[in-house]
Amino acid sequence: QQQVKQSPQSLIVQKGGISIINCAYENTAFDYFPWYQQFPGKGPALLIAIRPDVSEKKEGRFTISFNKSAKQFSLHIMDSQPGDSATYFCAASKWTGANNLFFGTGTRLTVIP
Amino acid sequence: EAQVTQNPRYLITVTGKKLTVTCSQNMNHEYMSWYRQDPGLGLRQIYYSMNVEVTDKGDVPEGYKVSRKEKRNFPLILESPSPNQTSLYFCASSPLEGGSGNTIYFGEGSWLTVV
Repeated sequence: QQQVKQSPQSLIVQKGGISIINCAYENTAFDYFPWYQQFPGKGPALLIAIRPDVSEKKEGRFTISFNKSAKQFSLHIMDSQPGDSATYFCAASKWTGANNLFFGTGTRLTVIP
Repeated sequence: EAQVTQNPRYLITVTGKKLTVTCSQNMNHEYMSWYRQDPGLGLRQIYYSMNVEVTDKGDVPEGYKVSRKEKRNFPLILESPSPNQTSLYFCASSPLEGGSGNTIYFGEGSWLTVV
């Protein structure tokens, strides 16, 4: 059973556009929600993370929006660039067990010039 | 440089031939784990270890073994590989939970094909 559901599976965005990836979870005990970015041939790397005490977290062009009541969170990439082309994974865990992440199925983002 | 190093990066093997994928980290992390990545399924945890001589099953442990005799090393063992174990494998490490939102560091992956 997939603990974290992610959509879309793939996404093509024009350079300068906004990329949006959505995730949903069921376990209300989850309280740590990171996003990982994976380039071809590389391992995933932490991009940005949020805890449910805030509804939004922004780091540069990357923003996480969090809706606790809906049990959903999303990644927004503003002014998308070809260098952002990668696979993005959302994940969730309990804060005190942040090592044991449950990952979404991944979104392959392609930003076309 | 902080690193998680896994070897081999690419391997083609035959069904039933035992193999070991090594993993080493230089960050003195207590927690280490193995994931497999398959299309449409994302990253699924195979085994994890919270410290030396402490290991536990993840979501998909069948057909795999691990050991943690030293803090820095966490090898993944396939005693009798089968074609359904063809996958991309990642080793990862992080500090043990401490409420700090520990970042998990991944290796660069090992492509394994079982024919």
